[in-house]
Amino acid sequence: DAMVIQNPRYQVTQFGKPVTLSCSQTLNHNVMYWYQQKSSQAPKLLFHYYDKDFNNEADTPDNFQSRRPNTSFCFLDIRSPGLGDAAMYLCATSRDEIGQAYEQYFGPGTRLTVT
Amino acid sequence: AQTVTQSQPEMSVQEAETVTLSCTYDTSESNYYLFWYKQPPSRQMILVIRQEAYKQQNATENRFSVNFQKAAKSFSLKISDSQLGDTAMYFCAFLPPLAYSGGGADGLTFGKGTHLIIQP
Repeated sequence: DAMVIQNPRYQVTQFGKPVTLSCSQTLNHNVMYWYQQKSSQAPKLLFHYYDKDFNNEADTPDNFQSRRPNTSFCFLDIRSPGLGDAAMYLCATSRDEIGQAYEQYFGPGTRLTVT
Repeated sequence: AQTVTQSQPEMSVQEAETVTLSCTYDTSESNYYLFWYKQPPSRQMILVIRQEAYKQQNATENRFSVNFQKAAKSFSLKISDSQLGDTAMYFCAFLPPLAYSGGGADGLTFGKGTHLIIQP
């Protein structure tokens, strides 16, 4: 089945130690998104890739970076995690065309703990 | 910028009852898309139903239907014959259409969610 896969499902990192979360998709969608979801809150968009074009949200901290080496994979890098970065990180994909908008398909998420 | 408001943090109903979750939004866009997503405990978010703003007919998916009132900017979700498996967080979300090529698709703007509990 076509799907969105996130690895690892659970990640523990130390304060200030860089961490990378990964997302892959078999849907061949051209857009990939990263959301941050803190406990009991709605997901908040961090950034997204439209094909190879990177689009950063204005309020996303510089501490968060992303890479998309090919259509299928996208990575979220947190350069120096702080305690406030502990959250569920959701990857989503969609197929977008001009004038249209299609639903986003979500991965299971990676729960990040910062110690 | 658009905003999405879900005024019911938590709702609880008995199995087999009908429940309606409310959602209002604010936007200056004339064309857009609205979604309801379901996030079960410790499981991934899945799409429940989608509505295009230019369509007057309310979307329906099996036991799930919406009441879309564009003028009132209201988009409620009705779940009929509720089941234990419907227990989840439900998020209302807004999405504008892609305006131009390479411009970057917008992410979803979510409401804060409604925690729906179906009691046996």
